[in-house]
Amino acid sequence: GEDVEQSLFLSVREGDSSVINCTYTDSSSTYLYWYKQEPGAGLQLLTYIFSNMDMKQDQRLTVLLNKKDKHLSLRIADTQTGDSAIYFCALGEDNQGGKLIFGQGTELSVKP
Amino acid sequence: SQTIHQWPATLVQPVGSPLSLECTVEGTSNPNLYWYRQAAGRGLQLLFYSVGIGQISSEVPQNLSASRPQDRQFILSSKKLLLSDSGFYLCAWSLDSYEQYFGPGTRLTVT
Repeated sequence: GEDVEQSLFLSVREGDSSVINCTYTDSSSTYLYWYKQEPGAGLQLLTYIFSNMDMKQDQRLTVLLNKKDKHLSLRIADTQTGDSAIYFCALGEDNQGGKLIFGQGTELSVKP
Repeated sequence: SQTIHQWPATLVQPVGSPLSLECTVEGTSNPNLYWYRQAAGRGLQLLFYSVGIGQISSEVPQNLSASRPQDRQFILSSKKLLLSDSGFYLCAWSLDSYEQYFGPGTRLTVT
């Protein structure tokens, strides 16, 4: 089955850029997502990218997809303390009832 | 706009007791509905999903079950809880399988 890997922790200084990485094994994924989870809360959909795209930008967020290397990244520009959370990448396929496969999540810590 | 509710928010239950967690969605019709469990680590595990009333697909064999008695209601149940059932249970909904939106979650502790 699909395997999705993320590093567990990332620490950055306020104002710096954060880059959260995700690698996967199955190339049949149609949609690739980034979710944010704050402590004790549900998951918030941040952004997503279709597999036929290489890049998507949405304000401070930039998603890059390298299909050849099966690598997805989320860049947060001008990282703020309010960005501290766990970030999950998730992959989905057509015709699978909308099922998502999640990575383990990367805990982003932003230091002032 | 659409909203998703889960209750209770937290629950402490003894081993062997029954369980019923409820999830309801407002502002949409015929959504796909999902139950996930997030264990003490971080990973989310898909437990059940439903594409319509009475249609339930189970992803992982376990002592949990799910039901969808109404279009926008999804229930997670157990007849006898195990210690290993402790975790954070998340309900989600989607339309056309593109984006899933999550509820606030239920924290279950089995003692």
